[in-house]
Amino acid sequence: EAGVTQFPSHSVIEKGQTVTLRCDPISGHDNLYWYRRVMGKEIKFLLHFVKESKQDESGMPNNRFLAERTGGTYSTLKVQPAELEDSGVYFCASSPDRGQIYNEQFFGPGTRLTVL
Amino acid sequence: QQQVKQSPQSLIVQKGGISIINCAYENTAFDYFPWYQQFPGKGPALLIAIRPDVSEKKEGRFTISFNKSAKQFSLHIMDSQPGDSATYFCAASRRNFNKFYFGSGTKLNVKP
Repeated sequence: EAGVTQFPSHSVIEKGQTVTLRCDPISGHDNLYWYRRVMGKEIKFLLHFVKESKQDESGMPNNRFLAERTGGTYSTLKVQPAELEDSGVYFCASSPDRGQIYNEQFFGPGTRLTVL
Repeated sequence: QQQVKQSPQSLIVQKGGISIINCAYENTAFDYFPWYQQFPGKGPALLIAIRPDVSEKKEGRFTISFNKSAKQFSLHIMDSQPGDSATYFCAASRRNFNKFYFGSGTKLNVKP
């Protein structure tokens, strides 16, 4: 079974530019999450999709961030325009919906974003 | 504010020794506490998890100790091996809520 994949693995952009990160969850996983880790700090929740619907977007920093999940499959996270403080590692995770109270989240390798 | 506090930030242990990483939380509504292990270039992967109805959970060389009254939990790695060198994250979650609150991570280096 293929794991969660993310593209690109690294992105270096200038302040003010736009960047789009992509996440392909494990096939069949209805839940998809985005998290971010700023250097040396905790991994912070950004948002949660159930299929194509945003279930919880309480962690999105501001309206420069836009997440979409087309047809309940892959997801994109767009940052426009990027600021210096957006630098960090962006993780995507997915989990199945088995009707359990807790579902293990499977993480992708992350996209390291550097804004210069 | 940070919901889960983790220490130490880094840890060096000799092969065969015991590695101990500590976490503390404030929100008494948390009732699921996983530990994730991350190797360089990889995403975090679930290592072991505990719910507060037990005080300890052991899987092989890895043990979680949980102190509900103190709102603390810790990961113990017995007989630490160089292959255990990784970054470890504690996390907490609430029943029926899917988001995790992570600690800031501990970089473990096990010296041969």
